[in-house]
Amino acid sequence: DTEVTQTPKHLVMGMTNKKSLKCEQHMGHRAMYWYKQKAKKPPELMFVYSYEKLSINESVPSRFSPECPNSSLLNLHLHALQPEDSALYLCASSHGYYSGVKNIQYFGAGTRLSVL
Amino acid sequence: KQEVTQIPAALSVPEGENLVLNCSFTDSAIYNLQWFRQDPGKGLTSLLLIQSSQREQTSGRLNASLDKSSGRSTLYIAASQPGDSATYLCAVSRGASGSRLTFGEGTQLTVNP
Repeated sequence: DTEVTQTPKHLVMGMTNKKSLKCEQHMGHRAMYWYKQKAKKPPELMFVYSYEKLSINESVPSRFSPECPNSSLLNLHLHALQPEDSALYLCASSHGYYSGVKNIQYFGAGTRLSVL
Repeated sequence: KQEVTQIPAALSVPEGENLVLNCSFTDSAIYNLQWFRQDPGKGLTSLLLIQSSQREQTSGRLNASLDKSSGRSTLYIAASQPGDSATYLCAVSRGASGSRLTFGEGTQLTVNP
């Protein structure tokens, strides 16, 4: 099973709302990632968690707050977003650096976010 | 700063043709290179991963090559089918764990029946 599950599939929120995106994997992966993808553009890395610790933050605005409660779950908390934050948000997971196997990233289907 | 370029941006071919997608990158200090496909509005599906020490990888009708010194990779698709229609993305990884992926803009492939 190489499945990464993201919920919800679609989300519409106002600029004053607080919402969360969720991501789950049961492949025993120890690295998890958040990407943002605008229309007709490639994904851009936002955050990387390695062994449940935040290892990479690509200078993402503080209105995006990641959380990794355990090795299977990854959340992205959203607050006071702007219309330009509307995008497809992708979660991915991989074995991680210390696994000794290929660090292939497996992606979820994404959450399409619209900020009004 | 690593830059990844994919040529062509779009490609339309008749069913059954063999085709080649190209990817180039500016910094040869990569950890690995991955090819993905993305269907409209969907997530990414990993097709092939080539470690920096490898020259090529094969999976079914797909073959990917890597020439790290010249900063180039190609994805060869044999006997194309309409189901191959998608956007193909090349990504190079950097950093000690190869966690940071830098993507190209993609090649949008249409295979006509």
